[in-house]
Amino acid sequence: DGGITQSPKYLFRKEGQNVTLSCEQNLNHDAMYWYRQDPGQGLRLIYYSQIVNDFQKGDIAEGYSVSREKKESFPLTVTSAQKNPTAFYLCASSTVPPRGIPYEQYFGPGTRLTVT
Amino acid sequence: AQSVSQHNHHVILSEAASLELGCNYSYGGTVNLFWYVQYPGQHLQLLLKYFSGDPLVKGIKGFEAEFIKSKFSFNLRKPSVQWSDTAEYFCAVNTMRFGAGTRLTVKP
Repeated sequence: DGGITQSPKYLFRKEGQNVTLSCEQNLNHDAMYWYRQDPGQGLRLIYYSQIVNDFQKGDIAEGYSVSREKKESFPLTVTSAQKNPTAFYLCASSTVPPRGIPYEQYFGPGTRLTVT
Repeated sequence: AQSVSQHNHHVILSEAASLELGCNYSYGGTVNLFWYVQYPGQHLQLLLKYFSGDPLVKGIKGFEAEFIKSKFSFNLRKPSVQWSDTAEYFCAVNTMRFGAGTRLTVKP
């Protein structure tokens, strides 16, 4: 059963702690993405990666870090430098055709992070 | 910079009413356009997409969208909504640029 898994579904942390969100896909997609979803703001791109060992910053990368050591995995670390980390985080993946503009994305179920 | 505007934040309709959700984008080059839907408690999923060809595209569950290049628009339509269409709808341009979303509530 192909898809994207994100764990955990709910995550609670104290302010000042780093936390890592997991994202795994078995769709054999080259590209993976992290978004933050806040009410009334839609999805905002944090980081994306189109190939293993390479990734690019999105619009709101400050306070976040990622790694892409394996094709199927793209973990996101929310660092203590992120000023407002409480949010719903979505991971997605897609194929990347030769002409470079990626196809549609497949999304995971999301992780709701609460930092107090 | 690319941007996507969804004009309606919350739309409330009665069942059988017609639906049109607006989406405008700012980008001068080639665009790939998408509408995604997020039903309560479910994953975001693709409703329909436009890459090239016929500007009127049909998606799942009776939805369609029309790409009007001169207006930089890609509005979503459905002739007759059902209660099960209650969800949040997102327009996206070139995969990674999303609008703020429109919440649709359909009253039975």
